[in-house]
Amino acid sequence: KQEVTQIPAALSVPEGENLVLNCSFTDSAIYNLQWFRQDPGKGLTSLLLIQSSQREQTSGRLNASLDKSSGRSTLYIAASQPGDSATYLCAGRGGGGKLIFGQGTELSVKP
Amino acid sequence: NAGVTQTPKFRVLKTGQSMTLLCAQDMNHEYMYWYRQDPGMGLRLIHYSVGEGTTAKGEVPDGYNVSRLKKQNFLLGLESAAPSQTSVYFCASSYPSNEKLFFGSGTQLSVL
Repeated sequence: KQEVTQIPAALSVPEGENLVLNCSFTDSAIYNLQWFRQDPGKGLTSLLLIQSSQREQTSGRLNASLDKSSGRSTLYIAASQPGDSATYLCAGRGGGGKLIFGQGTELSVKP
Repeated sequence: NAGVTQTPKFRVLKTGQSMTLLCAQDMNHEYMYWYRQDPGMGLRLIHYSVGEGTTAKGEVPDGYNVSRLKKQNFLLGLESAAPSQTSVYFCASSYPSNEKLFFGSGTQLSVL
C-alpha cells in the first residue's frame, strides 16, 4: 500500500531564502507525483507534475525532482517570497491509479 | 472558463439528515473525484469516476454514495449524516488518470 510522508509539517523561513520541501513514498512503482499548493480555506492548485519517466520539472522559481529508487521527491523554491506562504502537498499515483496525498508542509515566509 | 465548481460552499446538518453535494467541471475531463480533508488525516479519496455512468470506491466510501449521470457533473450524497462526516469536501477532475488534477474550492460540512 502506497504511503506518502512529508517532513517537516511546518517550516518558517525569512524572505529571499532558497528552500527544499521533502516528500517520501513507500511504493517505487509510482506512475507520477504531483506537488500542490493550498491556501487557507481554498482548494488545491497543481504546481508541478512529474511522470515516472521524468527526473524533474521546473516552473518559474519552482523545481521538483523525483527519485523512484530512493522513494523521494523534493520541491525546491528559489528566492522565497511572502506570497509563497501556503501549505504544500505532494501526492503519488501508484498501482490502481489512486492518488495518495501526504499531509503537507505548512510554509511561512517572513518579510 | 470556471474550472471546477462546488456547491454549496458551507452547510450545517443535523445527525440523520441527508444532502447532496454537487460538483461541475467545464473542462471536458473524463475523471472526477471526491475527497475529504480532515486535520491530521490529509486528503482521503471517497469515490471516483472514470467516465459518464461509472463510479468506483476510494479509501473511505462508507456512508457516501455518488452518481455521474452527465460527464460534467459528479454528485456526492450523504443519506444519513453522522458527526464523523464533519469535514471539508473537495471535488477534483482530470483527463486520463496520469494527468494533473484540478480542484474545486471545497465544501465545509458540519454535522451536529
